[in-house]
Amino acid sequence: SQTIHQWPATLVQPVGSPLSLECTVEGTSNPNLYWYRQAAGRGLQLLFYSVGIGQISSEVPQNLSASRPQDRQFILSSKKLLLSDSGFYLCAWSVQGWREQFFGPGTRLTVL
Amino acid sequence: DQQVKQNSPSLSVQEGRISILNCDYTNSMFDYFLWYKKYPAEGPTFLISISSIKDKNEDGRFTVFLNKSAKHLSLHIVPSQPGDSAVYFCAASGGGSGGSNYKLTFGKGTLLTVNP
Repeated sequence: SQTIHQWPATLVQPVGSPLSLECTVEGTSNPNLYWYRQAAGRGLQLLFYSVGIGQISSEVPQNLSASRPQDRQFILSSKKLLLSDSGFYLCAWSVQGWREQFFGPGTRLTVL
Repeated sequence: DQQVKQNSPSLSVQEGRISILNCDYTNSMFDYFLWYKKYPAEGPTFLISISSIKDKNEDGRFTVFLNKSAKHLSLHIVPSQPGDSAVYFCAASGGGSGGSNYKLTFGKGTLLTVNP
């Protein structure tokens, strides 16, 4: 069966510090991968998606970037965090050609 | 521009009764719709989906209805159980090309509380 991992589970970072969140998927090959953010009291906002290694599409221009160095690894980064980057970050995967996405446990990021 | 709207932020029902969660969309190019359930501090869990070629899909206690002409879908939970208490998100996809066709646009969610 397929599983998706995210780490860390929680993170508290000062403004201006860098960020690296990692997501890995097990039990499947060549998945589509997605990064979402849920701000307090808001819905899920798609940040990036990837249909293959090195292929990244950005949905919202902002202080973040994404990379996919391996087939089942998706990384969300920032060089300098802003207060507005605080939120709950979710990674998701889907089978190529399928609409259903399956989410990881999430990372709670607090920028102080 | 909010393309998927869940106009009720919260809903409270009694255990054993029916829960009806509603969702409206504006983009007529959407052709696939999904419902997710989310507990606090966890990732959303996929519940049920429906293609625009259907108007109903059932899975156990969960049924999703789609009214394309009204651009409206609803999730029915019968009977409701206390463990169903969570935030429910409606999502839609379609209208793009290549990988963008599989992106999900989410509503803001409805908090369902099922009282014992």
